[in-house]
Amino acid sequence: GEDVEQSLFLSVREGDSSVINCTYTDSSSTYLYWYKQEPGAGLQLLTYIFSNMDMKQDQRLTVLLNKKDKHLSLRIADTQTGDSAIYFCAEKGEDSNYQLIWGAGTKLIIKP
Amino acid sequence: NAGVTQTPKFRILKIGQSMTLQCTQDMNHNYMYWYRQDPGMGLKLIYYSVGAGITDKGEVPNGYNVSRSTTEDFPLRLELAAPSQTSVYFCASIYSAGLGGTEAFFGQGTRLTVV
Repeated sequence: GEDVEQSLFLSVREGDSSVINCTYTDSSSTYLYWYKQEPGAGLQLLTYIFSNMDMKQDQRLTVLLNKKDKHLSLRIADTQTGDSAIYFCAEKGEDSNYQLIWGAGTKLIIKP
Repeated sequence: NAGVTQTPKFRILKIGQSMTLQCTQDMNHNYMYWYRQDPGMGLKLIYYSVGAGITDKGEVPNGYNVSRSTTEDFPLRLELAAPSQTSVYFCASIYSAGLGGTEAFFGQGTRLTVV
């Protein structure tokens, strides 16, 4: 079946940029998503990108999509302590009936 | 606006016991999902529903059952709890409008331990 992979941890210094990477296998992906999960909470949508785009920017967040390599990244500029969370990459294929395929999540750790 | 509400937040079950995890959404969403989240494993889809009266199996349905008698409610039933069902369970809903870039709304999760 289709798969989405992410590193499990990323550690950055406060004020630096964080780059969280994701790779996926579904060549028919239509949308790719980044969700954020804070401790003890459910997941919340951060941003998404349509597969015919290669970049999307939203304030401190920049999403880059390399469709040829099936690689998605999320850059968080000026990382703050409030950005500490687990970040999930997910993709939706053409026939997925709104089912999303999820990565394992990357825990972002902020060092002072 | 409550969104997606799950109960209970925590539960400890003994092996062989049964329980129902409740999920309710007040956004009139037609698509609803149950996921389990295990450490380092991401979200695995247990069951989903595309509308009242319609349910279907996801990736890991064994040991679970669901029903969808109303648009709002999508309970998940564990009949004979096993230690392998120790996990965090999330309910989610999506409004299907024919657009792909729609947002999934999640409940706060139920942490279940089977001992």
